[in-house]
Amino acid sequence: QVQLVQSGAEVKKPGASVKVSCKASGYNFTTYFMHWVRQAPGQGLEWMGIINPRGGSTTYAQKFLGRVTMTRETSTSTVYMELTSLRSEDTAVYYCARYSSGNDYWGQGTLVTVSS
Amino acid sequence: DIQMTQSPSTLSASVGDRVTITCRASQSISGWLAWYQQKPGRAPNLLIYQASSLESGVPSRFSGSGSGTEFTLTISSLQPDDFATYYCQQYNTYPCSFGQGTKLEIK
Repeated sequence: QVQLVQSGAEVKKPGASVKVSCKASGYNFTTYFMHWVRQAPGQGLEWMGIINPRGGSTTYAQKFLGRVTMTRETSTSTVYMELTSLRSEDTAVYYCARYSSGNDYWGQGTLVTVSS
Repeated sequence: DIQMTQSPSTLSASVGDRVTITCRASQSISGWLAWYQQKPGRAPNLLIYQASSLESGVPSRFSGSGSGTEFTLTISSLQPDDFATYYCQQYNTYPCSFGQGTKLEIK
């Protein structure tokens, strides 16, 4: 069965960086693009970007340009999302989600807390 | 960027009611729209893709329609498990923007 398993919760200080992983299993990793979506406490869903696991190409939302990097490691079927220069407004649950005409499988979410 | 606007933001209804949620895009997205259900503390769950296609395993009381800029999600007969927040998302153009959400509450 398809599974996306994300890394655990993180607490970071303002200005630091965080790298969240998402390990895929149960399907051909390079066949489906992967989205990253975040959700601040009590707020809606915010699209961050997408990565093509086959070649590693990425597209990021304008808001995150210069601060976000999405990468993949095909040998372990894992995608990563790194966000730098963290501020309190980046406190959120971060999700990876497989794309197949809509996001049909989601990771469990990773809570990133930015606090001094 | 394409803006997605959902209405209403909150909807109060009773078990057995028929409810409709609307999603409008700021420009045409053809049929590239998905609907998700999200419950507190959980990841979103895909209900509808390509505006009207029911995701496998989703009850048939959920249906979607529309194209271009106006879309609807209809729940034909509300069940207790349906009280949640619903989001639309366009995936015609990057960034793949979401609506702000509609919270479906028990009346």
